[in-house]
Order: sequence, then C-alpha cells, then structure tokens
Amino acid sequence: ETGVTQTPRHLVMGMTNKKSLKCEQHLGHNAMYWYKQSAKKPLELMFVYNFKEQTENNSVPSRFSPECPNSSHLFLHLHTLQPEDSALYLCASSQGSSGGSYEQYFGPGTRLTVT
Amino acid sequence: AQSVTQLGSHVSVSEGALVLLRCNYSSSVPPYLFWYVQYPNQGLQLLLKYTSAATLVKGINGFEAEFKKSETSFHLTKPSAHMSDAAEYFCAVSEGQAGTALIFGKGTTLSVSS
Repeated sequence: ETGVTQTPRHLVMGMTNKKSLKCEQHLGHNAMYWYKQSAKKPLELMFVYNFKEQTENNSVPSRFSPECPNSSHLFLHLHTLQPEDSALYLCASSQGSSGGSYEQYFGPGTRLTVT
Repeated sequence: AQSVTQLGSHVSVSEGALVLLRCNYSSSVPPYLFWYVQYPNQGLQLLLKYTSAATLVKGINGFEAEFKKSETSFHLTKPSAHMSDAAEYFCAVSEGQAGTALIFGKGTTLSVSS
C-alpha cells in the first residue's frame, strides 16, 4: 500500500463510450502524474499537475482529458478511445516542492481495454 | 535531454546467485536516480534512490546500487537472488526540478529459477 489509490482497477469500454479514471493520494503531496504503460514500451508521461495546475501535457491526444480539482485527487476523462489506447494507466504523486529528489509514489494502476 | 538505458530486457539467474541489472543515464546536470520494481498487476514500488548524499545506496529487499559518474551508470545489485525477486525493474532519472516527471528506462524483467 503506497498511499495512492486508483479506481477502477479494470475497465473495458467501447470506442464510443465515455468513462473516467480516478486517482487519490493520502500522502499530502502537491504534484500528481498520469503515466501510460503499454506492453513492450517504456512508461510514457501523459500529464503533470503541480499545486492543482497543469504543468505538462506530453502531446497527449484530446480524447484524454485530465482534471485535478485539488491536490489529493486526479481524474482522467476518456472519450472516443481507440484500441491502441488499451494499456495500464498509472497515477503517481510526489512532494512537488523545491528540489528534484522527491521520489514518486505510484498507484496500482487501471487496466484499460478498448474494444 | 535526459535519458536512461537499461541493458538487457531480460535477465535470468538461479536462486542464490548474484543479481546485476544495468542502467546507464545521460544528463547535463547532476542527476537524481531511482530504481523501481513492478510485480505483476501492480504499480511501481521504489527500491532505492540516489540524491548525491552517498554513491552507494542501499534499498529495500537487500538491493543496492552504486552511482558511478565516470561511467554514467547506476547498476542495481543483490548478492543472493530469491524467488520473490522475480519482477520487472525500472531505472529512472529526474530532471532535478520540482514536480517534474521521471524519465524511465524500458525495464528489465528478472527471472529467478530454483
């Protein structure tokens, strides 16, 4: 248990559906991240939020829409996805204050399958 | 730009043997370096981190890593492998700024046979 929870753990959705992934951290951190992990590929950064402000969008298609209402919660809204979007989506958090040594704590991930 | 290269996508060892997982990094600034482990159907768990305090870093589960600036390496070792060490291992480098993402290597899958 890392203090970062993700729901749902598994999600199957059609290409025309709309769904949301939820991440919550109980660590008092100020930075939160979405990563995509596909088979045979390195982890891909999608979005970064610092103190609720989006500070990085790593050229992610608009069918993925993040939302960070407060420092403890992060959402990833999904709509009109493609089969190649099937992957493990990982949420992480870190202290996000000065200094880059602060390790990231990861949630267990949401296994997404797009049919 | 920073990058991480993990040599060998798959390493196999016998139980009780030395584990050596290789990681080389590229960075224009003094890096922060991390090793993470991922068990099946789970997220990433931090094994250890290098933040310039000491070049030999000890982590959880008996793992350690040595930072070698001259070789730009941060290899992960464990003297004696256990069956429970079978997992995927990721090396990562930080850009050294607050709240920035880690740059991950492609990962190395460790198999341990009895």
